[in-house]
Amino acid sequence: IAGITQAPTSQILAAGRRMTLRCTQDMRHNAMYWYRQDLGLGLRLIHYSNTAGTTGKGEVPDGYSVSRANTDDFPLTLASAVPSQTSVYFCASSQRGSGDTGELFFGEGSRLTVL
Amino acid sequence: GENVEQHPSTLSVQEGDSAVIKCTYSDSASNYFPWYKQELGKRPQLIIDIRSNVGEKKDQRIAVTLNKTAKHFSLHITETQPEDSAVYFCAASTNTGGFKTIFGAGTRLFVKA
Repeated sequence: IAGITQAPTSQILAAGRRMTLRCTQDMRHNAMYWYRQDLGLGLRLIHYSNTAGTTGKGEVPDGYSVSRANTDDFPLTLASAVPSQTSVYFCASSQRGSGDTGELFFGEGSRLTVL
Repeated sequence: GENVEQHPSTLSVQEGDSAVIKCTYSDSASNYFPWYKQELGKRPQLIIDIRSNVGEKKDQRIAVTLNKTAKHFSLHITETQPEDSAVYFCAASTNTGGFKTIFGAGTRLFVKA
């Protein structure tokens, strides 16, 4: 069982380029999330999705977009990358509602450097 | 929206001593308070959590307390060991306007042998 898989693991990107970080889970969780982690700032929520077909804005959504076409996949897109988007990005999932434990299951992270 | 403050940012203790990390939250609708541990280069993982209908919860050397009136909660680690060295994050979760979990900035714990 893979759990939650992110790709790529690491990427260096020129400013202005478009980039999509991929996230797939095999736990059939209804909710998925994208966080960015920066030193001293902890984990900040970018976007979330409570169920397939719906998305919502988190704490720092500007410059990012997401889609949730099905239960398993939740890609994060940077339309035009800027250096301030250099960060480690974590995708997470959880089962909310019936059977809700609240626990977030994280992927291994994607380290993105924008030059 | 929810805001979670966490203190201290860095904590250094001697092996065997206790460590306490404190957090406050702003949204009174938050009802679930997890703690995550992140070892260097790894993903965050849940170590303990508490819900708003409980004041205290313990799991071996780890305990959490919650004061809903004051909107603060704490993590207590007793008899610390070198393997407890990591970054610890508190978080608050609410169902208001969608399921969201908001994290504190983290505490880097060093346990000196």
